[in-house]
Amino acid sequence: SQQGEEDPQALSIQEGENATMNCSYKTSINNLQWYRQNSGRGLVHLILIRSNEREKHSGRLRVTLDTSKKSSSLLITASRAADTASYFCVRTDKLIFGTGTRLQVFP
Amino acid sequence: EAGVAQSPRYKIIEKRQSVAFWCNPISGHATLYWYQQILGQGPKLLIQFQNNGVVDDSQLPKDRFSAERLKGVDSTLKIQPAKLEDSAVYLCASSLGQGNQPQHFGDGTRLSIL
Repeated sequence: SQQGEEDPQALSIQEGENATMNCSYKTSINNLQWYRQNSGRGLVHLILIRSNEREKHSGRLRVTLDTSKKSSSLLITASRAADTASYFCVRTDKLIFGTGTRLQVFP
Repeated sequence: EAGVAQSPRYKIIEKRQSVAFWCNPISGHATLYWYQQILGQGPKLLIQFQNNGVVDDSQLPKDRFSAERLKGVDSTLKIQPAKLEDSAVYLCASSLGQGNQPQHFGDGTRLSIL
């Protein structure tokens, strides 16, 4: 399967804590995007990381990419209750989404 | 800018019936996507249009699903006849172009098959 696998499947933390989720593929990956999906809504684009980038920041988001390990991670710092959502990675060449990580941030 | 519009928001039908979903992408977006998202899973690409041409429909069950993009703008996705396993959220997205362009998603149509 070319589907990405995300780890953990679910994560519960308190406001102010950091949340880290990982995405891995069985086949080689180039560029990768991360999306957020609030319950009952469509996905929202967060960040694109290209194959020649190892790390990228956007506000409280930090994304890393390790092409040799075929994996990427998303770190959300100082989490807020509004960050409660599912997070997905997707390969931009084949538009194959991962299984998602459900993040719950408690006030 | 206005987002991607989808209708209806919810639809309940019986198996073997037909159903159609409509999508209006963001103005100027050449690429349009239809995804199927089963509960607890990530979206699965069904079909991708570039203007009014099909780029990828390899995962579209063509015996029952069909899609068209009228004049390279609006799009409809049809299921005929529906099966129980088609119960899912159908998401439409659009982007300026292919590849690394961010996709903008509508809120989807939740389809329930009885």
